[in-house]
Amino acid sequence: DTGVSQNPRHKITKRGQNVTFRCDPISEHNRLYWYRQTLGQGPEFLTYFQNEAQLEKSRLLSDRFSAERPKGSFSTLEIQRTEQGDSAMYLCASSLDEFTGSHQPQHFGDGTRLSIL
Amino acid sequence: AQTVTQSQPEMSVQEAETVTLSCTYDTSESDYYLFWYKQPPSRQMILVIRQEAYKQQNATENRFSVNFQKAAKSFSLKISDSQLGDAAMYFCAYSMVLGGEYGNKLVFGAGTILRVKS
Repeated sequence: DTGVSQNPRHKITKRGQNVTFRCDPISEHNRLYWYRQTLGQGPEFLTYFQNEAQLEKSRLLSDRFSAERPKGSFSTLEIQRTEQGDSAMYLCASSLDEFTGSHQPQHFGDGTRLSIL
Repeated sequence: AQTVTQSQPEMSVQEAETVTLSCTYDTSESDYYLFWYKQPPSRQMILVIRQEAYKQQNATENRFSVNFQKAAKSFSLKISDSQLGDAAMYFCAYSMVLGGEYGNKLVFGAGTILRVKS
């Protein structure tokens, strides 16, 4: 179990630029979540994948944000035309299915910290 | 919509002492999960303890235990014999119980910073 891996750890970019983050979940985990955490706050849900299907998106995910999980393995989160308000920690989490009815905990990565200049 | 409130932005405890972190939540669901997560500085968020709402018995994990009051919608975390390694941000979180393809997104509180004094 190598854990959830996120890259890069830190991204600094100028306002208006596009950025892309990558998340590699634990290999057997079907479910993948993206959260955003601003300074001094708890994480907020952005979107959720079951295998390659994006099944839920938060209102926080404006049209500048897009997430993919093309083969049901790694996922990318892209932010276009970045704004100052996008500065945050972006967290990825993965878990197993819960079809058996038993709760499967989410395992978090270290996050990608985005700083907009 | 479900909400989670942590009213203590910061708490301090002496090493080896006991501390209780507070959490309240709001939901119209009768069955759900509640969690406490720990986030050390610049490190991964890890699950500390979990409570299923239909279980009346309070969950315990070694030095960590919860006081789950369903009617009051209260879910506090007690840390006994506090250690320096317990210093971190602690988040209370809520999740609905959904089956099938529905994900179990977490709704987090704002967090409580716990400082442990030696």
